[in-house]
Amino acid sequence: ELKVEQNPLFLSMQEGKNYTIYCNYSTTSDRLYWYRQDPGKSLESLFVLLSNGAVKQEGRLMASLDTKARLSTLHITAAVHDLSATYFCAGASRETSGSRLTFGEGTQLTVNP
Amino acid sequence: NAGVTQTPKFQVLKTGQSMTLQCAQDMNHEYMSWYRQDPGMGLRLIHYSVGAGITDQGEVPNGYNVSRSTTEDFPLRLLSAAPSQTSVYFCASSTQAPGFEAFFGQGTRLTVV
Repeated sequence: ELKVEQNPLFLSMQEGKNYTIYCNYSTTSDRLYWYRQDPGKSLESLFVLLSNGAVKQEGRLMASLDTKARLSTLHITAAVHDLSATYFCAGASRETSGSRLTFGEGTQLTVNP
Repeated sequence: NAGVTQTPKFQVLKTGQSMTLQCAQDMNHEYMSWYRQDPGMGLRLIHYSVGAGITDQGEVPNGYNVSRSTTEDFPLRLLSAAPSQTSVYFCASSTQAPGFEAFFGQGTRLTVV
C-alpha cells in the first residue's frame, strides 16, 4: 500500500527566500503529482512527474523526482506572497495505473512580506 | 470545456438523512474517484472507478455507495448521514495514460448536524 509523507507541514517564509518541500513515498509509484490549493478552493494541478530524474519548472516553482530515493521535491525560488497556499503531493501506485491517488497531508505555505 | 462538475456546492443534512452528491466529467476519462478532505488529513479516497460498471473501495468507504452506469457520471450516495461525514468532498477524473493530470471538481462542502 502506497503511503505519502510531506514535510514540513507548515512553512512560513519571507518574500525573496528559497525553500524546498519534501515528499517521500513508500512503494513504487507510477506517477507523482503536485497540486496547489487556495483556501476554500479546489485543487489546481501544478506538475506531473513520471520518471526518475524528471524535473519540471513553472515560474518560481520547480519539481523533481528521484524514484530510487522515493522522493519528490518542490522548490520555491524567491518566494512571493501570491505563492501562499497549501501544496499537496500525491502518488499513484504502478499496480493501479494511476486510477487512485494517495495524498500527503499537505504543506501550508505562508509567504510574508 | 466544463471539466469536472460537482453539485451541490454546499449542503446541510440532518443525521440519518440520505443524499447523493453528483459528479460529471466531459473529458471521456476512464477513471473517476471521490475523496474527502478533512483538516490536517489531506485527501482520502472513498471510492473509485476504472470504467463504466466497475467500482471499488478506497481508504474510507464506510457509509458511502457509488455506481458508474456511464463514463461521464459518478454519483456518491450517503445512505444515512452521520456527523462524522461532515467534510469537503472532491470528485476527480483522470486517464490511464501517464503524463496527464487528474482533474478535480470544485468540491461539495457537507455539514451533518
